[in-house]
Amino acid sequence: GAVVSQHPSRVICKSGTSVKIECRSLDFQATTMFWYRQFPKQSLMLMATSNEGSKATYEQGVEKDKFLINHASLTLSTLTVTSAHPEDSSFYICSARGPLAALETQYFGPGTRLLVL
Amino acid sequence: AQSVTQPDIHITVSEGASLELRCNYSYGATPYLFWYVQSPGQGLQLLLKYFSGDTLVQGIKGFEAEFKRSQSSFNLRKPSVHWSDAAEYFCAVVTSGTYKYIFGTGTRLKVLA
Repeated sequence: GAVVSQHPSRVICKSGTSVKIECRSLDFQATTMFWYRQFPKQSLMLMATSNEGSKATYEQGVEKDKFLINHASLTLSTLTVTSAHPEDSSFYICSARGPLAALETQYFGPGTRLLVL
Repeated sequence: AQSVTQPDIHITVSEGASLELRCNYSYGATPYLFWYVQSPGQGLQLLLKYFSGDTLVQGIKGFEAEFKRSQSSFNLRKPSVHWSDAAEYFCAVVTSGTYKYIFGTGTRLKVLA
């Protein structure tokens, strides 16, 4: 149980285009999802907290107009990187806060590697 | 401020040897503590967690961790390492109320055949 999927696993796009990444909780409802960014050989950096039906809460220094987050249902959150540039290339990982029995635990998706040319 | 420290950036052990990965935290209250493993290009897999109770926690893949309040530590151990254990290991603490994770910087484990 508590499986989280991400789609796509890899994406290459041209500079200036937008890219959407989906994060789904497959077997539980997730009222809260988190989006992280991970640079090579570094730890995960929390970008934003996504709550179903409300606006996302962004961490300091994260541009909310560049990284649009939508959490329209209890099983789906999306991250859209708008007007992507090469410096946005990174590994993006989502997580979902666990079901009622494990609210303190986050379950992570497999990640999406974004390359902006 | 809350923080998590993993003092060892890289650790190399021989297959079959024992392993201990260190994790120290700074947190005012009793923390929720986690260990995750990340294989190259993959997401994070939960190894084990500690919330309360028995301070020795058993996890998956033969891992265990011990919570020591007096040392503010939550070290991960495995008695006999397998080549497939080579990966990046992250310790994390949850901040109460927000349920946000604070991650350590990770320890990269290399296993020699």
